[in-house]
Amino acid sequence: GAVVSQHPSRVICKSGTSVKIECRSLDFQATTMFWYRQFPKKSLMLMATSNEGSKATYEQGVEKDKFLINHASLTLSTLTVTSAHPEDSSFYICSAKRESSSYNEQFFGPGTRLTVL
Amino acid sequence: GESVGLHLPTLSVQEGDNSIINCAYSNSASDYFIWYKQESGKGPQFIIDIRSNMDKRQGQRVTVLLNKTVKHLSLQIAATQPGDSAVYFCAVIAGAGSYQLTFGKGTKLSVIP
Repeated sequence: GAVVSQHPSRVICKSGTSVKIECRSLDFQATTMFWYRQFPKKSLMLMATSNEGSKATYEQGVEKDKFLINHASLTLSTLTVTSAHPEDSSFYICSAKRESSSYNEQFFGPGTRLTVL
Repeated sequence: GESVGLHLPTLSVQEGDNSIINCAYSNSASDYFIWYKQESGKGPQFIIDIRSNMDKRQGQRVTVLLNKTVKHLSLQIAATQPGDSAVYFCAVIAGAGSYQLTFGKGTKLSVIP
């Protein structure tokens, strides 16, 4: 099977600090990864598409300077929440598209719960 | 753009009964449809998918029906079990060459033992 991991699973930080979340495809290569945000009892909202070796594509309304995305290898994408504020508290989920897939197979990570105090 | 909705936010069913979860989408060019299950505090888990050139697909205890005329998608779970309790999302990909998923609002399924 295709496994995607996220680290950390939970993080609590103080307002004003930066937090990095990692998304790894463990047993496949992924040129494209996606970052989603989910508020309690709400659906997943796509934040950005992460492309290996190039700049991420952000959805409308998502601040690229606030949510820094780096996709340095075919198995790792990172999301850094800079100068975090309480309103950034959310569940962040990544997904990875398997490179060998002939179609739109995406595999989701388990999510990272961010709490900003 | 694509908007995806679900007809009911919550659904309670008796264990052993069949469950039907519905989803409507707006973009007639939508090409690929997926149902995900999300348990509390976890990421979405793939259940079943269907392409726009099909109207029905069956898996183990699950069936997805696609009605492109009315832009409606449904997930049927046979013999619902307590382990099926979760939030179910439909997700849509707009068209060929696109990989971006648009998620519906979610239906919380509660199974009554």
